[in-house]
Amino acid sequence: SQTIHQWPATLVQPVGSPLSLECTVEGTSNPNLYWYRQAAGRGLQLLFYSVGIGQISSEVPQNLSASRPQDRQFILSSKKLLLSDSGFYLCAWSGQNEKLFFGSGTQLSVL
Amino acid sequence: AQSVSQHNHHVILSEAASLELGCNYSYGGTVNLFWYVQYPGQHLQLLLKYFSGDPLVKGIKGFEAEFIKSKFSFNLRKPSVQWSDTAEYFCAVSPSGYSTLTFGKGTMLLVSP
Repeated sequence: SQTIHQWPATLVQPVGSPLSLECTVEGTSNPNLYWYRQAAGRGLQLLFYSVGIGQISSEVPQNLSASRPQDRQFILSSKKLLLSDSGFYLCAWSGQNEKLFFGSGTQLSVL
Repeated sequence: AQSVSQHNHHVILSEAASLELGCNYSYGGTVNLFWYVQYPGQHLQLLLKYFSGDPLVKGIKGFEAEFIKSKFSFNLRKPSVQWSDTAEYFCAVSPSGYSTLTFGKGTMLLVSP
C-alpha cells in the first residue's frame, strides 16, 4: 500500500536560518506531489506541485523553493526564513485518479 | 491529537438531489473546521470554514455546513446538486489558534446528469 512520510513533525527556526522539509512517498511510482501551507486562522494554500522529477510549478511568489530530486521525494526549502514563513506545511500526493493523500504535516515556527 | 472521520467514501447522486456529507472530528478543545473541494483536473480549494459565531456557515457555490458541537460534527450540505459539483470533498480540522491541520480521507461525489 502507498504511504507518505513527512518530517520533521515540528520545527523551530530563527529568522534568517535555512529550511529543508522532506516528503517521501512509498508504494507508487510517478506520483504528483504537492506542498501546501496553512497559516493560523486561514485556509490551505498550494505552494508548489510537481508532476515529475525536476518539474516544479510554483503557485505563489515567496521566500520558498521546492525540488524533486527523485521520483518519490519532494523537498521544500528556504535559504533565509522570514517570520511570515511560520505555519503548518503539508505534503500530499496523488495518482492517476487525482485523489489526494496527505502527510502528517510539519509545524514550523520562525522566531 | 485530533482526527477526522468522513463516513462516505463514495456518493452518487442525480442532479437536483440534496446532498449531505458527514464529517466528525475528535478533539478535546475548540476547533476551526474546513471543507475543501478538489474538482477533476484542478487543485484543492477552500469551500467554507468555521472559526466561531454562527454555527451555520455558508460557502461558495451554494454549499453550507453546520457545526454541531455536541456531536463533534461539521456536515456539508447543498439543497440541489449539479453535475459540476462532481468532485472530491475533504473535511479538515485544526485546533483554534494553531495551524496544524488534519484531513479526513475524502468523499468522492459523482453527480449524474
